[in-house]
Amino acid sequence: EAQVTQNPRYLITVTGKKLTVTCSQNMNHEYMSWYRQDPGLGLRQIYYSMNVEVTDKGDVPEGYKVSRKEKRNFPLILESPSPNQTSLYFCASSLTGTSGGISQYFGPGTRLTVT
Amino acid sequence: GDSVTQMEGPVTLSEEAFLTINCTYTATGYPSLFWYVQYPGEGLQLLLKATKADDKGSNKGFEATYRKETTSFHLEKGSVQVSDSAVYFCALSSGGYQKVTFGTGTKLQVIP
Repeated sequence: EAQVTQNPRYLITVTGKKLTVTCSQNMNHEYMSWYRQDPGLGLRQIYYSMNVEVTDKGDVPEGYKVSRKEKRNFPLILESPSPNQTSLYFCASSLTGTSGGISQYFGPGTRLTVT
Repeated sequence: GDSVTQMEGPVTLSEEAFLTINCTYTATGYPSLFWYVQYPGEGLQLLLKATKADDKGSNKGFEATYRKETTSFHLEKGSVQVSDSAVYFCALSSGGYQKVTFGTGTKLQVIP
């Protein structure tokens, strides 16, 4: 079954404790992206990757890191989480970049709480 | 920069009522336009899309027409069901760029 998986689905952590949210897709997609969803703000793009070793900032990259060492995986790293990073995070992928009407497949989401 | 504006929710309708969710956009070039749906506790799913002016996207009884002259992509359905209760997001992707811009989402609640 074609899917995007994220782990963990729920995470409660404390300020400053490094964490990684994993994302994996089994569709051989080139493009992957991370979003955060906050009430009243919709989805905002954090980082995206056009292919292995190619990443770029989205609209809200501060406080986050990503890497793309393998085509299927695109982990999101919070090296020193802060309470303002409490949010619902989604990973997404698409066959190629998003221009030309290519739609994305989304993971189920990771709800992160930073205290 | 690019932006998407959606009508604020929540929208509450009775079953079989007509649905319109407004979406307007600002973008450089000729964007592709999307509607995604998010059911409770799930990720977003593509509902429909349109890639050029006057294109009509449709799926599951939902429709939206790409109107370049009014920079709009309103979502419509003739007869909603309880199972349509979800959050609906309008989004755009500008040609040549790989960033996707989403609206704030509109929550739809359909009551029997």
